[in-house]
Amino acid sequence: AQTVTQSQPEMSVQEAETVTLSCTYDTSESDYYLFWYKQPPSRQMILVIRQEAYKQQNATENRFSVNFQKAAKSFSLKISDSQLGDAAMYFCASPNNAGNMLTFGGGTRLMVKP
Amino acid sequence: SAVISQKPSRDICQRGTSLTIQCQVDSQVTMMFWYRQQPGQSLTLIATANQGSEATYESGFVIDKFPISRPNLTFSTLTVSNMSPEDSSIYLCSVLIYEGGTWGYTFGSGTRLTVV
Repeated sequence: AQTVTQSQPEMSVQEAETVTLSCTYDTSESDYYLFWYKQPPSRQMILVIRQEAYKQQNATENRFSVNFQKAAKSFSLKISDSQLGDAAMYFCASPNNAGNMLTFGGGTRLMVKP
Repeated sequence: SAVISQKPSRDICQRGTSLTIQCQVDSQVTMMFWYRQQPGQSLTLIATANQGSEATYESGFVIDKFPISRPNLTFSTLTVSNMSPEDSSIYLCSVLIYEGGTWGYTFGSGTRLTVV
């Protein structure tokens, strides 16, 4: 069964500092996508960043970047220059082996201190 | 990217009643998904809804409790039947879409259901 694990239920970071959220996953596929979603109190799921497993280069979206370690099945999210608006739940997600439904990690609540 | 309109955004319902949640997508999509997010928890897939076939339910979810309709490629409904307080959750629909040369998932804004 597909599993996604986020080992940090809560994290906090000082405004303007950098924070890294961890995620590990389990898959038997060789080609797949990985996602990080942000869920603010509005409950809307917002795509932060995606990584295609066949790409060696780590994905980057402005202040957000990933450290993708395929052999270790690790997919961490780094947020640079943290802003108050970054405070939210963050979910790591991976499609199942059939490539359709998403399996989510348990989430990490990120708090940003002014 | 695809835009999903999900209704209602929230509701407070009496136990024993049913609520139907709607999702309308602004483009045709093959695969739609319904998720439940219990308070303080992650998202759990209820079922996959494909047009022209019966929905596929995940372990722990049954059609009698969560009937799903998928009449066309842009619309789906999820009904929460015979509700109890344990059904109080956020319900989200999602679609799988291919855009800009890559696959992705878009979500509706969610329905916050409270059963009293």
